[in-house]
Amino acid sequence: QLQLQESGPGLVKPSETLSLTCTVSGGSISSSSYYWGWIRQPPGKGLEWIGSIYYSGSTYYNPSLKSRVTISVDTSKNQFSLKLSSVTAADTAVYYCARSPQLLWFGELLPAFFDYWGQGTLVTVSS
Amino acid sequence: EIVMTQSPATLSVSPGERATLSCRASQSVSSNLAWYQQKPGQAPRLLIYGASTRATGIPARFSGSGSGTEFTLTISSLQSEDFAVYYCQQYNNWPPALTFGGGTKVEIK
Repeated sequence: QLQLQESGPGLVKPSETLSLTCTVSGGSISSSSYYWGWIRQPPGKGLEWIGSIYYSGSTYYNPSLKSRVTISVDTSKNQFSLKLSSVTAADTAVYYCARSPQLLWFGELLPAFFDYWGQGTLVTVSS
Repeated sequence: EIVMTQSPATLSVSPGERATLSCRASQSVSSNLAWYQQKPGQAPRLLIYGASTRATGIPARFSGSGSGTEFTLTISSLQSEDFAVYYCQQYNNWPPALTFGGGTKVEIK
């Protein structure tokens, strides 16, 4: 059974960089069939896609966050990571990692929906 | 960006009754739409993808329909475990900018 587990600091100071890692078990992050993504949810609010990465390192980011986001992959550790820079209180949220099957779009393989999710980790931005 | 609008925001339903949830896209997303269920303190769970295909292990009382800009999630006979928040999500644009609806809370009437 595939499992994803987020890890990282639960408290980050304003203007600093939020860093999280997702460890995948029960399956290989190097599978050619999937993207791996980050989604966040501010307390009491809805879901926001942050970005997705393929095992090769190809990435797609939410345009509204693109200038502050970096997602990377470490296939040797079966992990992928999120960095969000210059955080403010508005970045306080539960951060989820998830697996995304691909959609074939005019010859390109793109991230689609999310079929396996981590349990989520709350990150609070506060001094 | 494709904006996803869900209605109603809250739906009050009695156990055993049918629930019908709506999701509208600001432009066509073809059938590239998913539905998720989220209970308090839990991660979302995939229910439906491709607008109408149930994910593995999802009971038959959950069904999805629609294409283009109008979609519906129907729960044919609500069970106690179905009271939750439901989100739709589109995955139909280039470059990918996956977007979710604001959610519909299904509560006990």
